[in-house]
Amino acid sequence: RKEVEQDPGPFNVPEGATVAFNCTYSNSASQSFFWYRQDCRKEPKLLMSVYSSGNEDGRFTAQLNRASQYISLLIRDSKLSDSATYLCVVKGGTASKLTFGTGTRLQVTL
Amino acid sequence: SQTIHQWPATLVQPVGSPLSLECTVEGTSNPNLYWYRQAAGRGLQLLFYSVGIGQISSEVPQNLSASRPQDRQFILSSKKLLLSDSGFYLCAWSSDLPYGYTFGSGTRLTVV
Repeated sequence: RKEVEQDPGPFNVPEGATVAFNCTYSNSASQSFFWYRQDCRKEPKLLMSVYSSGNEDGRFTAQLNRASQYISLLIRDSKLSDSATYLCVVKGGTASKLTFGTGTRLQVTL
Repeated sequence: SQTIHQWPATLVQPVGSPLSLECTVEGTSNPNLYWYRQAAGRGLQLLFYSVGIGQISSEVPQNLSASRPQDRQFILSSKKLLLSDSGFYLCAWSSDLPYGYTFGSGTRLTVV
């Protein structure tokens, strides 16, 4: 079983749609959780951290369920500029290593 | 503020040639440093990490090595490149706080 699993997509949605990505992780001792965004041929960039209480940043909402080892990202009112690959990331263990999912690709269309 | 620099941005090397990629961090001290590789259409794979000068941990057996000669310098090397070494190489740094990583802009390596 992969340490971090994501649906690879692609998710093709029209502008203005709401889209949700899910992620599961295998290590129950994981300490921190993040969503990163990666544009084509660019480095990943931190989108948001994920907290147990859930957190929101504008159109983006992240949720964490530690009991189920499940993380989600909700994007409301999708924009063309949201088109990218979204990486679910889990931090823990020696040297605070990050483990990345393989990413979910989102394509927002007119 | 902290910044991370990685170079070169693009590299085309023949099979069997050596490799040296450099990464430096500014604005922080004693960072944790990481080298990742992303093969075409695949996820990020952790290659090496370092928690201090001269301290290198390898995550996967491979044709590559890493060194940390100074606190904020991390070098990825190979004596003889293989075709399978092609990919997007990313350096990153973090602190021990519960924050994520900051990545350098990456080096796209093509071995021909």
